[in-house]
Amino acid sequence: AQKVTQAQTEISVVEKEDVTLDCVYETRDTTYYLFWYKQPPSGELVFLIRRNSFDEQNEISGRYSWNFQKSTSSFNFTITASQVVDSAVYFCALRDFIGGYQKVTFGTGTKLQVIP
Amino acid sequence: DGGITQSPKYLFRKEGQNVTLSCEQNLNHDAMYWYRQDPGQGLRLIYYSQIVNDFQKGDIAEGYSVSREKKESFPLTVTSAQKNPTAFYLCASSPEGGPTDTQYFGPGTRLTVL
Repeated sequence: AQKVTQAQTEISVVEKEDVTLDCVYETRDTTYYLFWYKQPPSGELVFLIRRNSFDEQNEISGRYSWNFQKSTSSFNFTITASQVVDSAVYFCALRDFIGGYQKVTFGTGTKLQVIP
Repeated sequence: DGGITQSPKYLFRKEGQNVTLSCEQNLNHDAMYWYRQDPGQGLRLIYYSQIVNDFQKGDIAEGYSVSREKKESFPLTVTSAQKNPTAFYLCASSPEGGPTDTQYFGPGTRLTVL
């Protein structure tokens, strides 16, 4: 069965520290997509990145970077030089196509608090 | 500005009453989705629709109903049969509902049943 595990429930860091949010997934599909979303206190989920299962290149976007490793079924997210505005809940999600039906499975989220 | 709107942001209802949550998008997306979020949990899919006049049950459809009469609108009705309706409800849309799609979310409606 599909599963997304975000083992870190809450993380607190001091501003300017680097922080890594872990995401481990399970799927029987060979073609799948992984996503990260940010949910600030306002509640709306903001799309951050999509990665397909055939592309293991790491991605960097400003202070954000993502490390996708199929060998460990992980898709970790690192924020460099964290800022207070990064405080939010971050969700990892998996989209796969078991039995011809697509399904998106979300992790339970990691709440990040950046302390000034 | 293109986007997804959900109204109202906060909704209070008495137990036993049906309530309808609004979701509108002007992104010209074909697919729309409803998710439920409970504290400390991930999002769970209630219903989704890939085209007008068609929709499919998600993982937790019991006690909910939807309609998709227009491309831009996908209202969700929380019926009295839903045993624990108090939650945060998020609507999303995606261009085609296909394998490479990315879902974009609205601001959510927080429903409290008294």
